[in-house]
Amino acid sequence: DAGVIQSPRHEVTEMGQEVTLRCKPISGHNSLFWYRQTMMRGLELLIYFNNNVPIDDSGMPEDRFSAKMPNASFSTLKIQPSEPRDSAVYFCASSFIGRSGRGVGNSPLHFGNGTRLTVT
Amino acid sequence: SQQGEEDPQALSIQEGENATMNCSYKTSINNLQWYRQNSGRGLVHLILIRSNEREKHSGRLRVTLDTSKKSSSLLITASRAADTASYFCASRGGPGANNLFFGTGTRLTVIP
Repeated sequence: DAGVIQSPRHEVTEMGQEVTLRCKPISGHNSLFWYRQTMMRGLELLIYFNNNVPIDDSGMPEDRFSAKMPNASFSTLKIQPSEPRDSAVYFCASSFIGRSGRGVGNSPLHFGNGTRLTVT
Repeated sequence: SQQGEEDPQALSIQEGENATMNCSYKTSINNLQWYRQNSGRGLVHLILIRSNEREKHSGRLRVTLDTSKKSSSLLITASRAADTASYFCASRGGPGANNLFFGTGTRLTVIP
């Protein structure tokens, strides 16, 4: 199993530009999570999907951020327009949640290696 | 953080010593997980302890859970230089929630 694959590994862009981060979850997992990590705020949950449907996007900072999951094997996180304060490492993670809905506590999250975003 | 805190924020020990990290969380849980993060990498799951368990072992790892105090601890025995990493606890985002929130992490440095 290749694990969770994120691309790109590094992204440097200028303020105002659009940024798209990509994630391929582990095959068979039905839940996908986007996290952001900074020194100041630690790991923040931005949004998570279950069976390709966004369940909770309350962590998305503002309307400049959007996430999609068009199918079970692909998700994107888009920032438009980007700002310097968006600079962070963005992680994607996947897991399998059972029908009971309690699986997230019973199944570990598998993380990708992240995308380090720098907005100048 | 969105959910909890670990302490200490940083810990530096000599190889062979034991390392203890503590975690406090805010909401009721079904279980609690611990993760490790090496520099520049994603988090890796270490161990899960259920709310009806008080202690769990996995190799050199020992986790305890006190639901009355909403706290957990991770003990790494006989530490090695390779244990140098950040360690995070994670718990559900609330009753019935299907997401995980992470604490602020403890940065462990094991000196050879």
